[in-house]
Amino acid sequence: DTGVSQDPRHKITKRGQNVTFRCDPISEHNRLYWYRQTLGQGPEFLTYFQNEAQLEKSRLLSDRFSAERPKGSFSTLEIQRTEQGDSAMYLCASSLNYGQGSNQPQHFGDGTRLSIL
Amino acid sequence: GDSVTQMEGPVTLSEEAFLTINCTYTATGYPSLFWYVQYPGEGLQLLLKATKADDKGSNKGFEATYRKETTSFHLEKGSVQVSDSAVYFCALSDPVNDYKLSFGAGTTVTVRA
Repeated sequence: DTGVSQDPRHKITKRGQNVTFRCDPISEHNRLYWYRQTLGQGPEFLTYFQNEAQLEKSRLLSDRFSAERPKGSFSTLEIQRTEQGDSAMYLCASSLNYGQGSNQPQHFGDGTRLSIL
Repeated sequence: GDSVTQMEGPVTLSEEAFLTINCTYTATGYPSLFWYVQYPGEGLQLLLKATKADDKGSNKGFEATYRKETTSFHLEKGSVQVSDSAVYFCALSDPVNDYKLSFGAGTTVTVRA
């Protein structure tokens, strides 16, 4: 068990640029989640995948955000035309789900810190 | 909707002191409750959990009991160490929307030697 891996750890970019983050979940986990955490706050749910299917998206996920998990393994989160307000820590988590009501605890990566200049 | 309220920090303690962090929740059903810890520069780690009323979660000397009557899940540790300095988050997931964790704002704990 190598844990959830996120890349890059830090990203600094200019406003208006596009950025993409990658998450590699724990290998046997079928669910993958994205959260956003701003300074002094707890993480906020953005979206999640069950295998390759994106099943839920928060209203926080504007149309500039897109997430994919093409083969049900790693996932990418892309932000287009970045804005100052996108500066945050983006956390990925994964878990094993056996069915309704059997979701195991979520395991988090170390996050990608995004800074918009 | 579901929500979690944690006691505000920061909390500063001396080594071997008793730690309590209050957490109360609002949920429509019977949620699962969690405490996560975030050490400096690291991601969140699951500290303990409880899935039904009166369950007690425990790990690394920390304990929390799921109290349905008071909708609370307070975190306690009898004797803290400098290595317990971290941010602690209370969280819940409801059994219907079990994909989503709702977190409190976090409580920063600093333990001085």
